[in-house]
Amino acid sequence: DQQVKQNSPSLSVQEGRISILNCDYTNSMFDYFLWYKKYPAEGPTFLISISSIKDKNEDGRFTVFLNKSAKHLSLHIVPSQPGDSAVYFCAASALSGSARQLTFGSGTQLTVLP
Amino acid sequence: KAGVTQTPRYLIKTRGQQVTLSCSPISGHRSVSWYQQTPGQGLQFLFEYFSETQRNKGNFPGRFSGRQFSNSRSEMNVSTLELGDSALYLCASSLSGLPNYEQYFGPGTRLTVT
Repeated sequence: DQQVKQNSPSLSVQEGRISILNCDYTNSMFDYFLWYKKYPAEGPTFLISISSIKDKNEDGRFTVFLNKSAKHLSLHIVPSQPGDSAVYFCAASALSGSARQLTFGSGTQLTVLP
Repeated sequence: KAGVTQTPRYLIKTRGQQVTLSCSPISGHRSVSWYQQTPGQGLQFLFEYFSETQRNKGNFPGRFSGRQFSNSRSEMNVSTLELGDSALYLCASSLSGLPNYEQYFGPGTRLTVT
């Protein structure tokens, strides 16, 4: 039962254009969402996050949008650069008692073409 | 500030053997989480330790266990290895794990079971 889904395993975008990565979730208890970027042979790196009380968070070229009614979030990268080529994971977090855990999607491989 | 370190980086074991992986978190971080990454499955949460106590556990069999020491370093043990245990094992540390949950990942240990 995948609670966090990234339905596109791969995405190719031309340099300078917008990259849009999508993520859907099913658990309405998730209240915090994160995006991670992963290069080969490295661990994932935190990119940007959003609380469920917001619908948008921006950090430089990266913007995350949250649509709670649709249980959908997206990551926009503008403009895309070749160095952005990596696997992007979305993750969602819910508080259970005193503990939190992250539930990850299966990732989307982004390739930015020069 | 040194990042999260994991040892060893690569490991080859035979079915039926056991293995111990080590993770040293960022200095000052008290929460350590472990994840298994396999192709197409994304990151699957194994467990989280905080102040030497297992605070949260994912859906993995009892062959997977862990512990945390007083200096926050953590070890993960897998007994009676199976071929399906071949994966990248990642650990991540955070200050407390609650809330505004941002983890910092190590580079992972690549385990191959033959």
